[in-house]
Amino acid sequence: EDQVTQSPEALRLQEGESSSLNCSYTVSGLRGLFWYRQDPGKGPEFLFTLYSAGEEKEKERLKATLTKKESFLHITAPKPEDSATYLCAVQGGKGRRALTFGSGTRLQVQP
Amino acid sequence: DTGVSQNPRHKITKRGQNVTFRCDPISEHNRLYWYRQTLGQGPEFLTYFQNEAQLEKSRLLSDRFSAERPKGSFSTLEIQRTEQGDSAMYLCASSPQGASYNEQFFGPGTRLTVL
Repeated sequence: EDQVTQSPEALRLQEGESSSLNCSYTVSGLRGLFWYRQDPGKGPEFLFTLYSAGEEKEKERLKATLTKKESFLHITAPKPEDSATYLCAVQGGKGRRALTFGSGTRLQVQP
Repeated sequence: DTGVSQNPRHKITKRGQNVTFRCDPISEHNRLYWYRQTLGQGPEFLTYFQNEAQLEKSRLLSDRFSAERPKGSFSTLEIQRTEQGDSAMYLCASSPQGASYNEQFFGPGTRLTVL
């Protein structure tokens, strides 16, 4: 059974204070690892897909990296508008389309 | 805006009643997914359609839950004899066909409250 564990559960940063969010996973045959952002009361917003160890992707202040056991979401010089819950999900198993999500990291960036 | 749309956005019902939710995917996306999310948790997969065929179902999808996608476009999720434990956000997502298109794009969700 696929499993995703995210840490920390919550993170409070000052504006400009860089940090990283962790996503540890176990999956049979990784077909993709996904990062989403979710604002309160809204659906998840797609950020990145990573397919193989060593892959990196960047978008504005966010950078996602992938190893064989975990993924990191690095946030450089965050702004208050980056405050949200960040969700990690994996897709595994031949032919399966279901995503298995972690519980997320609630990020608060204070001005 | 041509994103995934869901209706209604909020639904309050009494225990034992039936409810139905609708999802309209992004135009030309032939894959459609339903998830359920409770407070403080990530979304949990319920079911997946490719066109009108229901190809994947979770064990979470009890016999009180039924989903359809009759013409391969919009989808409905029905919950019969609702229970308080059914209270959650029900999310719909869609993705285009193609081996490289694994990304799923989510709608705003329908929040269900069972009294």
